[in-house]
Amino acid sequence: GEDVEQSLFLSVREGDSSVINCTYTDSSSTYLYWYKQEPGAGLQLLTYIFSNMDMKQDQRLTVLLNKKDKHLSLRIADTQTGDSAIYFCAETLLGNNDMRFGAGTRLTVKP
Amino acid sequence: GAVVSQHPSWVICKSGTSVKIECRSLDFQATTMFWYRQFPKQSLMLMATSNEGSKATYEQGVEKDKFLINHASLTLSTLTVTSAHPEDSSFYICSAREAVRVNTEAFFGQGTRLTVV
Repeated sequence: GEDVEQSLFLSVREGDSSVINCTYTDSSSTYLYWYKQEPGAGLQLLTYIFSNMDMKQDQRLTVLLNKKDKHLSLRIADTQTGDSAIYFCAETLLGNNDMRFGAGTRLTVKP
Repeated sequence: GAVVSQHPSWVICKSGTSVKIECRSLDFQATTMFWYRQFPKQSLMLMATSNEGSKATYEQGVEKDKFLINHASLTLSTLTVTSAHPEDSSFYICSAREAVRVNTEAFFGQGTRLTVV
């Protein structure tokens, strides 16, 4: 199975908050990331968090990291229709150079 | 942020021909570039890690003779799909890390959609 797991779908109404969850299994993760992929496009880095941090906030985005439970979440406040996309969480491991991705969560924002 | 340019954005080729995809880091030096493949509605699968001046390291199950990777300079890596078949049709994405920064963000190209007919 996946080392990094995400739920596949999330649907919210415009203006509501969205919370996308991710779990990982390797405790040696150093950085954890959230990427956004719009249809037919590459990946856009939204934010990342170092593994010794609990929270990071950047405008409408809030990342929470629970290292004990190996749980990462991305909260999007005041979700807009333009936020509709696939969101991938990813990790890099200590000593490694590549990244491991979750399967992606498709966020649908309804007007 | 740093920019990674991938070219072409899309390509259609005939079965049996070869296709080359370029990945360039425009404003930084990338000692390491990564090539990913994405199947519809699925996550990214790492195909290979490409280090400047040395042979690429392929992930298990990826045919190195079919997916030729060249990383001749600190700003350019190429992926050549040789003797392409319809099952090679996919979305290919490259990413690059700056030479002096490891374990931080990787910058992604915009991807190349390959369709083999």
